[in-house]
Amino acid sequence: QQQVKQSPQSLIVQKGGISIINCAYENTAFDYFPWYQQFPGKGPALLIAIRPDVSEKKEGRFTISFNKSAKQFSLHIMDSQPGDSATYFCAASRQTGANNLFFGTGTRLTVIP
Amino acid sequence: ETGVTQTPRHLVMGMTNKKSLKCEQHLGHNAMYWYKQSAKKPLELMFVYNFKEQTENNSVPSRFSPECPNSSHLFLHLHTLQPEDSALYLCASSQETSRQQFFGPGTRLTVL
Repeated sequence: QQQVKQSPQSLIVQKGGISIINCAYENTAFDYFPWYQQFPGKGPALLIAIRPDVSEKKEGRFTISFNKSAKQFSLHIMDSQPGDSATYFCAASRQTGANNLFFGTGTRLTVIP
Repeated sequence: ETGVTQTPRHLVMGMTNKKSLKCEQHLGHNAMYWYKQSAKKPLELMFVYNFKEQTENNSVPSRFSPECPNSSHLFLHLHTLQPEDSALYLCASSQETSRQQFFGPGTRLTVL
């Protein structure tokens, strides 16, 4: 059973546009929701993370929106750039067994000039 | 770089071979992880070590055998693998007090 569901599988956005990736979860015990960015030939790297006590977190052009009642969270990339082209993974973990990160299946983002 | 190194970066092995993957972290972390990354699947957590003690084994087949001699080094010993074991194997580390995991670049494994 997949703990975190992610969509879309792939996304193509024009330079300067907004990229939106969505994730949903079922386990209400999750209390930490990170997004990881992975470039070809590299391992995933933490991009931004949110806890459920806030509905939004912004870091530069990257924003996480969190809807606790709907058990959904999303990543918004404003003013998307070709250098943002990568695979993005959402994830979730809970306080107990905090080492266990449950990942989504990933979204391959391509930003075209 | 993330401070987590993995060797080799690429490995091709036959089903009867024995090989080992190595991971080293230079971040002073006390938890280390092995993940399997296959196309169109979520990253699969395989093993977790906290302070050199294995705390998670997510139903991984015995043909994968981890070893953690100290907090900085992690190995994954491989023997009699199957073609479906071909994947990118990622190592990660974290500090006990932090949820953030730092990943290495991975070893691309191909089993013939």
